[in-house]
Amino acid sequence: SQTIHQWPATLVQPVGSPLSLECTVEGTSNPNLYWYRQAAGRGLQLLFYSVGIGQISSEVPQNLSASRPQDRQFILSSKKLLLSDSGFYLCAWTPGTHRGLNTEAFFGQGTRLTVV
Amino acid sequence: GENVEQHPSTLSVQEGDSAVIKCTYSDSASNYFPWYKQELGKGPQLIIDIRSNVGEKKDQRIAVTLNKTAKHFSLHITETQPEDSAVYFCAASPGYSTLTFGKGTMLLVSP
Repeated sequence: SQTIHQWPATLVQPVGSPLSLECTVEGTSNPNLYWYRQAAGRGLQLLFYSVGIGQISSEVPQNLSASRPQDRQFILSSKKLLLSDSGFYLCAWTPGTHRGLNTEAFFGQGTRLTVV
Repeated sequence: GENVEQHPSTLSVQEGDSAVIKCTYSDSASNYFPWYKQELGKGPQLIIDIRSNVGEKKDQRIAVTLNKTAKHFSLHITETQPEDSAVYFCAASPGYSTLTFGKGTMLLVSP
């Protein structure tokens, strides 16, 4: 069966520090991968998605970047965190390969980021 | 792009009552409409979904209806229980684009 791992679960970082959140998927190949941010406990804002290694689509211009160094690994990064980067970050995957993007998304457990 | 509106933002019901959450979408090309439940501190989980070739789908106490002409779809939960308390999200997507989510509904079921 497929599983998605996201870590860390919680993170407190000072303003101006770097960020690296990692997400891995097991039990499937060629998944579509996504990073969402959820502010104030509500609303899912799509930040990045990837349909293949090295292919990153950015939905919202911001202080963050994403990379996909391996088929089932998705990393969210920042060089210098802002207070406004605080939130709940969720990684997700959908089945890839000619399935389109409109299929069930499976979410990780999320990372609570607090920038202080 | 797609735009999804979800109402209400908060819904309080008594245990045993029914709950209805409504969403509208803008892109007539959207053909996939999932509903997710998110418990506190966790990631959302799919509870039911519907595609545009059907008008209604039911799974035990949960049902979803779709009106493509009016571009709206609804989640119906019958015989609500305290464990149904959570935030619920609707979403819509055409095949060429990612899911667009509504802003969520916080459902509170009182014993």
